[in-house]
Amino acid sequence: AQKITQTQPGMFVQEKEAVTLDCTYDTSDQSYGLFWYKQPSSGEMIFLIYQGSYDEQNATEGRYSLNFQKARKSTNLVISASQLGDSAMYFCAMRERQTGANNLFFGTGTRLTVIP
Amino acid sequence: GAVVSQHPSWVICKSGTSVKIECRSLDFQATTMFWYRQFPKQSLMLMATSNEGSKATYEQGVEKDKFLINHASLTLSTLTVTSAHPEDSSFYICSAARGQGSTEAFFGQGTRLTVV
Repeated sequence: AQKITQTQPGMFVQEKEAVTLDCTYDTSDQSYGLFWYKQPSSGEMIFLIYQGSYDEQNATEGRYSLNFQKARKSTNLVISASQLGDSAMYFCAMRERQTGANNLFFGTGTRLTVIP
Repeated sequence: GAVVSQHPSWVICKSGTSVKIECRSLDFQATTMFWYRQFPKQSLMLMATSNEGSKATYEQGVEKDKFLINHASLTLSTLTVTSAHPEDSSFYICSAARGQGSTEAFFGQGTRLTVV
């Protein structure tokens, strides 16, 4: 089964508006971490925000925030006040503690296009 | 912040030759590094986990004799694509974390390999 599911292959948002990118995950671990990365056309992976499974507060980092719903196993990324430079691929990822490893499982990504 | 440097950023090689890609953690020691592969418009797929001072752990379906990984020091892991073929053309990207359970995973800039 897919560990990370991103159901939106592409999203459009008007500049200065907010946009929500969806991500659901599947794990039997009690302890895990959820990550969001931005990948511009250059290919580098830019870390945006992290949510731990035991964190009670939704993570926020500048214009990025997470809508973390543990019972639903979802961690949607909200980008507020979109900018043209936000146009990129966005990947949701998870790290499970049970595996004892530090590797991340990635979703298939969402391509965000910000319209002027 | 922590930085992971990957070199080269792109390489073109002839079919049958070998290519070495380096991944360095610049300001922290990484006992474990990860090598991912990304096909166009697809997600990152973990190829192998590189362990300092021991053999790498390969994911199912990844040929360890073709993708040689060496993690000789706490700041350097190398991936060598041996006897490259056109189907090996892809984007290869490494990542490292400061330690187990780190809330961040830092990625290199990626290497775009084209085999002609």
